[in-house]
Amino acid sequence: GAGVSQSPRYKVAKRGQDVALRCDPISGHVSLFWYQQALGQGPEFLTYFQNEAQLDKSGLPSDRFFAERPEGSVSTLKIQRTQQEDSAVYLCASSLPPVGYSPLHFGNGTRLTVT
Amino acid sequence: TQLLEQSPQFLSIQEGENLTVYCNSSSVFSSLQWYRQEPGEGPVLLVTVVTGGEVKKLKRLTFQFGDARKDSSLHITAAQPGDTGLYLCAGALTRGSNYKLTFGKGTLLTVNP
Repeated sequence: GAGVSQSPRYKVAKRGQDVALRCDPISGHVSLFWYQQALGQGPEFLTYFQNEAQLDKSGLPSDRFFAERPEGSVSTLKIQRTQQEDSAVYLCASSLPPVGYSPLHFGNGTRLTVT
Repeated sequence: TQLLEQSPQFLSIQEGENLTVYCNSSSVFSSLQWYRQEPGEGPVLLVTVVTGGEVKKLKRLTFQFGDARKDSSLHITAAQPGDTGLYLCAGALTRGSNYKLTFGKGTLLTVNP
């Protein structure tokens, strides 16, 4: 694929439901990030993978949030027992190393609305 | 506290005007990147600066990295409606051998025809 692909594009969940958000990074990109973006704000760091290793998960808001990248390619962000405050756009980005010097390639995000 | 402070938060100008947006921190960054984001899309990289005092130009956009690598600015000359968007700065902090890219809250620029 030409770019980072995220699915679904939109997700509406009832409070208490579990959701799974998928990210297909650019092939060969070692680094993968998840960010949370509120309306009109900058992306907030959630977690970072280098291949299949989750090197930093300090931004995950609670233990209801879980991310994995088992084969070092596709990643899934799972949110258990969703709350209204989880409503946001979830962005995935991938890059070649080194992070901060190579471009981050973002997907168009998944807009999660918790009702 | 926000690691990267961007100002102004909102900016609405007329086509043809010049503008500068700022990205400030008390931390030293290995590198700093500027992105532009349009509604419904992910951010797109504009530039990466890595050396203190570095100046980079991209057509009508001029980016500067502060001497101490704690701050950066983006200057747009003769703004056009196509420049409208959310401008984000992002800094890379080293944590051992790993890098964490942190974004500011952004400057929402509107250029009116």
